[in-house]
Amino acid sequence: EAGVTQSPTHLIKTRGQQATLRCSPISGHTSVYWYQQALGLGLQFLLWYDEGEERNRGNFPPRFSGRQFPNYSSELNVNALELEDSALYLCASSLGEKQPQHFGDGTRLSIL
Amino acid sequence: RKEVEQDPGPFNVPEGATVAFNCTYSNSASQSFFWYRQDCRKEPKLLMSVYSSGNEDGRFTAQLNRASQYISLLIRDSKLSDSATYLCVVKHSGYSTLTFGKGTMLLVSP
Repeated sequence: EAGVTQSPTHLIKTRGQQATLRCSPISGHTSVYWYQQALGLGLQFLLWYDEGEERNRGNFPPRFSGRQFPNYSSELNVNALELEDSALYLCASSLGEKQPQHFGDGTRLSIL
Repeated sequence: RKEVEQDPGPFNVPEGATVAFNCTYSNSASQSFFWYRQDCRKEPKLLMSVYSSGNEDGRFTAQLNRASQYISLLIRDSKLSDSATYLCVVKHSGYSTLTFGKGTMLLVSP
């Protein structure tokens, strides 16, 4: 069974640009979660999508947004990139709310 | 007070040693508990869920004390491959999102 897949693996942008990160959940999983792991800060919850709807978002500004497609894959968009957005962005999926989350390899976003 | 607190370590232990990690959480409404393992520059991987009655998976034993809001992970007979960061994770009642501790680093040496 294929795990959670994320693309691209690495992304280099400059301040002010926009970034799009993609995630495909494990087959059959309807919930997708996005997390940011910045150096020294641990994993911080960003967004949760389920059945195409945004169910919850973490304490991040509105320039962090996303969506979930009918096939349950998801995009994370970050507008007006800032230096502190440099981090590993991890996507996770689960079968349902009470089930454990399984993570993809992440996208490492570097802002120059 | 942080929602999930862990000793960052590192814990340096020889192969074969037994090592224990502790974690405390602040939200009494927390519903589910997990230990994840994260290797350097890799994604977190689920190690085990933590059940109220305590549970064991091979060399790994997890315990939960709801009254003290405390979770533990015991690793017996440490292997070199156990070297990683161990993340304590809680899920609040009514929310599907996870709250992660910053992790405890374990280094197992020959």
